[in-house]
Amino acid sequence: DAGVTQSPTHLIKTRGQQVTLRCSPKSGHDTVSWYQQALGQGPQFIFQYYEEEERQRGNFPDRFSGHQFPNYSSELNVNALLLGDSALYLCASSLEKTPGHIEAFFGQGTRLTVV
Amino acid sequence: QKEVEQNSGPLSVPEGAIASLNCTYSDRVSQSFFWYRQYSGKSPELIMSIYSNGDKEDGRFTAQLNKASQYVSLLIRDSQPSDSATYLCAVSRRVGYKLSFGAGTTVTVRA
Repeated sequence: DAGVTQSPTHLIKTRGQQVTLRCSPKSGHDTVSWYQQALGQGPQFIFQYYEEEERQRGNFPDRFSGHQFPNYSSELNVNALLLGDSALYLCASSLEKTPGHIEAFFGQGTRLTVV
Repeated sequence: QKEVEQNSGPLSVPEGAIASLNCTYSDRVSQSFFWYRQYSGKSPELIMSIYSNGDKEDGRFTAQLNKASQYVSLLIRDSQPSDSATYLCAVSRRVGYKLSFGAGTTVTVRA
């Protein structure tokens, strides 16, 4: 049973560039959430996708956008990169209609460095 | 006020001892509570979830929840060097809703 997979694992970009990160949820999961984790901090919620729609959004600028595909995989796009966007980007998947309570499982993350 | 606050570390405990981690949250209507373990350079791994007041035990881990005090804790019994990691407390307002994380407490188990 494949867990949550993210690609690429590491990425170096220049200020002002655009980047796309990818996530495949755990088998059977239909909801994908994205988080940003700066060094020494806890993950910060960016947004969540369900049924190909952005369902919730955290306090991130419009430079951060996303997409969910019919197979539940998801992309996170960041435009006009800033040095402060350097962080570990985490994808978490869950199943909306889980009996009982919903638990989220994280992928290995993408380490983005903006220079 | 931060949504989720954890006791500042680092926390150093001898092998075999009990590590006690604390977390408070500000959103009174929070319903779901999680502890994640994160090794250096890795992603968070879910180790415990708790939803109702009281204790929940899973192996060497015990989570405790007190909604009236808006407090959740994690005890690690018989600590092992492999328990050395950062422990993240996460809280969700409702089922399937976004997770709000604390900054984490780093635990070091010394042999």
